Amino acid sequence: EPEVTQTPSHQVTQMGQEVILRCVPISNHLYFYWYRQILGQKVEFLVSFYNNEISEKSEIFDDQFSVERPDGSNFTLKIRSTKLEDSAMYFCARSTGIQFFGPGTRLTVL
Amino acid sequence: AQSVTQPDIHITVSEGASLELRCNYSYGATPYLFWYVQSPGQGLQLLLKYFSGDTLVQGIKGFEAEFKRSQSSFNLRKPSVHWSDAAEYFCAVGASGANNLFFGTGTRLTVIP
Repeated sequence: EPEVTQTPSHQVTQMGQEVILRCVPISNHLYFYWYRQILGQKVEFLVSFYNNEISEKSEIFDDQFSVERPDGSNFTLKIRSTKLEDSAMYFCARSTGIQFFGPGTRLTVL
Repeated sequence: AQSVTQPDIHITVSEGASLELRCNYSYGATPYLFWYVQSPGQGLQLLLKYFSGDTLVQGIKGFEAEFKRSQSSFNLRKPSVHWSDAAEYFCAVGASGANNLFFGTGTRLTVIP
């Protein structure tokens, strides 16, 4: 299956800083998702993105978060004013009817 | 409310032994069910899925799962475990392959020689 790549693999930031996590699908898909996994906890849905618009978002996905696909290929998750509790693994997924996940970005907020 | 329960946090089995990982779900509509595996430091890899039809589904790496609607379960099985199967296993449910997925808390599998 075509893969999804994510950059960076690990991001360390100071509390209050903004971070941008990137997802690059190999193929041109329409459905994208962001999930996060806090250490030791379950994977949680954040947002889905279809045809360049948010189609669904969870209660976790508040005004601190935003997503976009600025150049038609990269799919980004922006976290403004990061908090300690934002430390987690963030997974991008794409769907062709089945969701395939990228390797994740580990975000550490100090 | 949608939820997935994986009652076993950690399971240890001997290499060559059989394995069953439990998954129970609560979902208001017809569920689409998935099992994903996560090796240390890796992303989530799809093992198998159930959408409809035959309730026993086959996946990669010799895994299978059985959907039991009456029990709201989707247990994962493997007849003979290999050391490389050591990983975290997640059960997930969704309204389709495109809708957001709800994950269980995962079961960590340890394989001993």
